[in-house]
Amino acid sequence: EVQLVESGGGLVQPGGSLRLSCAASGFTFSSYSMNWVRQAPGKGLEWVSCISSRSSTIYYADSVKGRFTISRDNAKNSLYLQMNSLRTEDTAVYYCTRATGLLLEIDYWGQGTLVTVSS
Amino acid sequence: DIQMTQSPSSLSASIGDRVTITCRASQGISNYLAWYQQKPGKVPKLLIYAASTLQSGVPSRFSGSGTGTDFTLTISSLQPEDVATYYCQKYNSAPITFGQGTRLEIK
Repeated sequence: EVQLVESGGGLVQPGGSLRLSCAASGFTFSSYSMNWVRQAPGKGLEWVSCISSRSSTIYYADSVKGRFTISRDNAKNSLYLQMNSLRTEDTAVYYCTRATGLLLEIDYWGQGTLVTVSS
Repeated sequence: DIQMTQSPSSLSASIGDRVTITCRASQGISNYLAWYQQKPGKVPKLLIYAASTLQSGVPSRFSGSGTGTDFTLTISSLQPEDVATYYCQKYNSAPITFGQGTRLEIK
């Protein structure tokens, strides 16, 4: 069974940093591209970033470019999102997701971790 | 960037009704379109990819069509468990973009 378990969310002040982690299991993690997708409270889905299976290709949404960094450790079956210079508009549930390929449809979602940016 | 516009934003229909949700891309995207269902308090679930391919395990009352800029998600006979928000998603090039969502309720 595919499982994606996020951690690292919490309350942070504007301008602060946070690192999200995602532990993957139930599939060959090193064979799949991964994404982060977020959803602000009561709002729609927003794609944040994606990373290819071997980290050779990375893309970001314009809203996070230069502030967020996606990475992965295939030996640890883990995906990460380093978030710096956080803004109040970054407040959202962050989902770790598996894609069927780089820039392809998302077939599995984690339960999400809430990031709240507030003073 | 390519924008995705869904309509309507919300709709109310009766059990057994045929329901149609549309998604329009600001530029042609071939068939690189997916549909997701998000039930209240739950994570999104993939329903359809490549515009018309049903994801494994999804009931056959769901179907998708379209190519280029105009796409449709159809529920042939609405069931109570279909209450959810539905999102289209354009992929295959960055940035990946979601539509704003369509909230479906039972009348």
